[in-house]
Amino acid sequence: AQTVTQSQPEMSVQEAETVTLSCTYDTSESDYYLFWYKQPPSRQMILVIRQEAYKQQNATENRFSVNFQKAAKSFSLKISDSQLGDAAMYFCAYRTRRSYNTDKLIFGTGTRLQVFP
Amino acid sequence: NAGVTQTPKFQVLKTGQSMTLQCAQDMNHEYMSWYRQDPGMGLRLIHYSVGAGITDQGEVPNGYNVSRSTTEDFPLRLLSAAPSQTSVYFCASSYWGTGGDTQYFGPGTRLTVL
Repeated sequence: AQTVTQSQPEMSVQEAETVTLSCTYDTSESDYYLFWYKQPPSRQMILVIRQEAYKQQNATENRFSVNFQKAAKSFSLKISDSQLGDAAMYFCAYRTRRSYNTDKLIFGTGTRLQVFP
Repeated sequence: NAGVTQTPKFQVLKTGQSMTLQCAQDMNHEYMSWYRQDPGMGLRLIHYSVGAGITDQGEVPNGYNVSRSTTEDFPLRLLSAAPSQTSVYFCASSYWGTGGDTQYFGPGTRLTVL
């Protein structure tokens, strides 16, 4: 079975600085997807970034980028120029490449990010 | 286009009561799922459906029932609520096809069982 581990329960960063959130996963599969979701105090789950395992290039979305190390099974999220609005819980998630009869997303336990002015 | 909607937003039950959490999506997504979120445990999959009439169990299905009679709706039923079911519940949907690997989440329902 696949597992996702986020070893940092809490992180903090100064506004405008850069912070990296760690995620490791365990799988025997070669084809899968990885995601970072943000959950602000409103509780809404917001997709931050997604990575397809067969693509070697690291995904980037504005100030958010990932460092995807497939061999090491590592998927860290880097937030550049941190803003107060980035303060939230961040979840790393794993998904097997889609098959028509299954649909499962496996989450890590989350990292709470605080941003200080 | 409302996306994924959930009702109610908050609910308090007594042990042994039953209730249904509602989930609807207007994006014509084939896939729908229910998750629960507990402190320190992330989100865990309860049940999911890959289309109308088709459902399957996730990681923590005990105490919950689902059915999928239409593409739009995927209700979650608690038959006899227990304090261990106190949690935040999320419904999500996605589609089959390019880019369909991303799940879209509803706003969640906070359930307290006394």
